Amino acid sequence: GESVGLHLPTLSVQEGDNSIINCAYSNSASDYFIWYKQESGKGPQFIIDIRSNMDKRQGQRVTVLLNKTVKHLSLQIAATQPGDSAVYFCAEKGSTGRRALTFGSGTRLQVQP
Amino acid sequence: DGGITQSPKYLFRKEGQNVTLSCEQNLNHDAMYWYRQDPGQGLRLIYYSQIVNDFQKGDIAEGYSVSREKKESFPLTVTSAQKNPTAFYLCASSTRDRGQMASYEQYFGPGTRLTVT
Repeated sequence: GESVGLHLPTLSVQEGDNSIINCAYSNSASDYFIWYKQESGKGPQFIIDIRSNMDKRQGQRVTVLLNKTVKHLSLQIAATQPGDSAVYFCAEKGSTGRRALTFGSGTRLQVQP
Repeated sequence: DGGITQSPKYLFRKEGQNVTLSCEQNLNHDAMYWYRQDPGQGLRLIYYSQIVNDFQKGDIAEGYSVSREKKESFPLTVTSAQKNPTAFYLCASSTRDRGQMASYEQYFGPGTRLTVT
């Protein structure tokens, strides 16, 4: 899992297994959350987003779960593939104030063949 | 192809010199952002602009300056006042949607790796 400010944690999984990447956020007023994937030396790519009025959203091979009670967000990747190896960031946006996102420190996912 | 371009990919400068990083987008987005990323860390917001001729400081604006004279362009200047300028710099853009169905997705460029010695 990840928390803002900690050294980058690493999750190692076998190809074909499901991966779960966790994120704890701090702002209870945040109303929008987003997951990005960043490959080495590249800019982040959008994976999936979710609004605070939802607790689950599914995409292709990915599911995001939001638990507002404990301020926890998770990204589930089904049937993990070597191409999923990257650093994954969660980001949040507060309900008021600036539009910019606040990013967590990321989790490195390593997929073993 | 629509997207965000950053140039150059690698940039080397001597300490004490100002350097300007380029960011251009053809997505017709109103909002643009600059982030800094250090090894093994997340993205930290330097400056952002929601509309032409307007910009706001982010969390780590000291030692940086920006301008937003055109919708497509948001250059970042790393000044000699920035104590630790060596980092990976990312530019992003987004729409200015409002309301319940607004998208806050930011589209990122490929980044510029700045090394100052």
